[in-house]
Amino acid sequence: AQSVSQHNHHVILSEAASLELGCNYSYGGTVNLFWYVQYPGQHLQLLLKYFSGDPLVKGIKGFEAEFIKSKFSFNLRKPSVQWSDTAEYFCAAVKRGGDDKIIFGKGTRLHILP
Amino acid sequence: EAGVTQFPSHSVIEKGQTVTLRCDPISGHDNLYWYRRVMGKEIKFLLHFVKESKQDESGMPNNRFLAERTGGTYSTLKVQPAELEDSGVYFCASSSWTVMNTEAFFGQGTRLTVV
Repeated sequence: AQSVSQHNHHVILSEAASLELGCNYSYGGTVNLFWYVQYPGQHLQLLLKYFSGDPLVKGIKGFEAEFIKSKFSFNLRKPSVQWSDTAEYFCAAVKRGGDDKIIFGKGTRLHILP
Repeated sequence: EAGVTQFPSHSVIEKGQTVTLRCDPISGHDNLYWYRRVMGKEIKFLLHFVKESKQDESGMPNNRFLAERTGGTYSTLKVQPAELEDSGVYFCASSSWTVMNTEAFFGQGTRLTVV
């Protein structure tokens, strides 16, 4: 079955620390990949997406992710986190040519200490 | 441009009662999706409308759930009668094209608690 796995369910970091959130997907074929973020009390919003082309994708707020096809991974990174990055982060995938459904990981709660 | 709007933001109801959730998609978006997150689990697909037609409702849990999209604009999701396991956050999303081709925009979700 198609699935998306996020390695960490809860991450606590201090401000200015570097961040990497792991994400792996189990799909055959071509996929679109996403990272969404939900800040407290707000809607899910798109951080970045990969459809094709350069596997290093830059998103909003200084986030980036790298698509590594051989590892079925799409890890999210940020060199220096801020207190305002406290949120829940979701990795997601859509199989192209398949069902028109987004498959989400379980989410990672990120807590940044000021 | 207004985003995807969901009403209410929170709802607490008793087991056996009926609840109707509403989603207003971004204007002009033909594709509308409902997703649900039960506590501690993934956000899971419920169904997909293209305009007023149900494209895929394979994720609907059972026949206590009824989704409609009148005139291809806003959508409602009714749960009748509600059970304890229906508690969770219900998300709506819309997109101008299918999610295989473009991104979906999500609302803030409706937190449903069945007691």
